[in-house]
Amino acid sequence: EAGVAQSPRYKIIEKRQSVAFWCNPISGHATLYWYQQILGQGPKLLIQFQNNGVVDDSQLPKDRFSAERLKGVDSTLKIQPAKLEDSAVYLCASSRWGQGVEKLFFGSGTQLSVL
Amino acid sequence: AQKVTQAQTEISVVEKEDVTLDCVYETRDTTYYLFWYKQPPSGELVFLIRRNSFDEQNEISGRYSWNFQKSTSSFNFTITASQVVDSAVYFCALSEARRGNTGKLIFGQGTTLQVKP
Repeated sequence: EAGVAQSPRYKIIEKRQSVAFWCNPISGHATLYWYQQILGQGPKLLIQFQNNGVVDDSQLPKDRFSAERLKGVDSTLKIQPAKLEDSAVYLCASSRWGQGVEKLFFGSGTQLSVL
Repeated sequence: AQKVTQAQTEISVVEKEDVTLDCVYETRDTTYYLFWYKQPPSGELVFLIRRNSFDEQNEISGRYSWNFQKSTSSFNFTITASQVVDSAVYFCALSEARRGNTGKLIFGQGTTLQVKP
């Protein structure tokens, strides 16, 4: 079974530029999550999708971050414009049902550096 | 508010030593789940264990064991006879089992474990 795929693996941009991350979850998984992990901290949930609908985006900075999950499969997370404090690893995760509290399967993440 | 505290930032041991990673949590809910995840240098978090708040039985899986104590709000993780491959960052996490919550994990800060040969 293929795992959660993310790209790119690394990204370096200047502040005020835009950037996008892509995630392909495990086949058949209904629920997809984007987490932000700042160096030295645990991951923090940004947004959760159930199929192609948003379940929780309470911690997503909506003035600069956006995410979509078209057709309930792949997802894209965008930052526009980026700030220095957005430097972090962006982790995508998926789970099978999104019912109850399941274990999550994580991708390797995209490491973003904003200069 | 929910909170997970892993007071140990870094631990260094020599191979074959036993090591315990501490986790203390806060929640007002009576029903919740606790997790441990491992993050190797490759970056992806790997699920290790999930326990619900009604099951305080300790669990052993090979060299890994977990001690859940509701009285002290702790969910500690012990690795017996550590190996170099155990070197990683370990995260403790909390999830509340309320309706509609299906994956929001509150993570601790993580403990970096270095096992030296």
